[in-house]
Amino acid sequence: EPEVTQTPSHQVTQMGQEVILRCVPISNHLYFYWYRQILGQKVEFLVSFYNNEISEKSEIFDDQFSVERPDGSNFTLKIRSTKLEDSAMYFCASKGTRGEQFFGPGTRLTVL
Amino acid sequence: KQEVTQIPAALSVPEGENLVLNCSFTDSAIYNLQWFRQDPGKGLTSLLLIQSSQREQTSGRLNASLDKSSGRSTLYIAASQPGDSATYLCAVRHTNAGKSTFGDGTTLTVKP
Repeated sequence: EPEVTQTPSHQVTQMGQEVILRCVPISNHLYFYWYRQILGQKVEFLVSFYNNEISEKSEIFDDQFSVERPDGSNFTLKIRSTKLEDSAMYFCASKGTRGEQFFGPGTRLTVL
Repeated sequence: KQEVTQIPAALSVPEGENLVLNCSFTDSAIYNLQWFRQDPGKGLTSLLLIQSSQREQTSGRLNASLDKSSGRSTLYIAASQPGDSATYLCAVRHTNAGKSTFGDGTTLTVKP
């Protein structure tokens, strides 16, 4: 069964460093998303991506963040100059035409 | 702004019981609603998707209903098992490409 994959599973970085979180969505899906979940809190929307451009973004998704689909399979989230409060679980999701959203296993980001 | 609330926050039941989890949302103009399961430290597993035009969906021991006009959805779990222990999340979407707004979840414990 097709699934969304994410790498790495855990990323530890120093405050101020840049990180890139990688995702491989389900191959025939056209809509891609990043969400995050701070420990003990709700899953929060960051950004949606369709047709090679951002279709919607939240207030959280400021200039520190960027997304890219560099080739036909990968979808990346870049966080520049990480802050302590960026520590969270980051989930990638993709959606097909039927509307069901599938999530990856997440990347746990720890900023020290 | 859409607000999604899930009641109860936590639920503990003995094995074999039938149970109902509740999800309410403030803006009834939704595109679809999706129920997920999340195990500790893990990603989100899709359980059921209900389109705005549908009243319910069933998968095995799970049945989800949707009442758009009252802003409510319920997830019914029949004959609960210890393996059902997890956090259950509901998420609503307003457009096909748009974001999902999540509730805080209900943490279910099924005791053997």
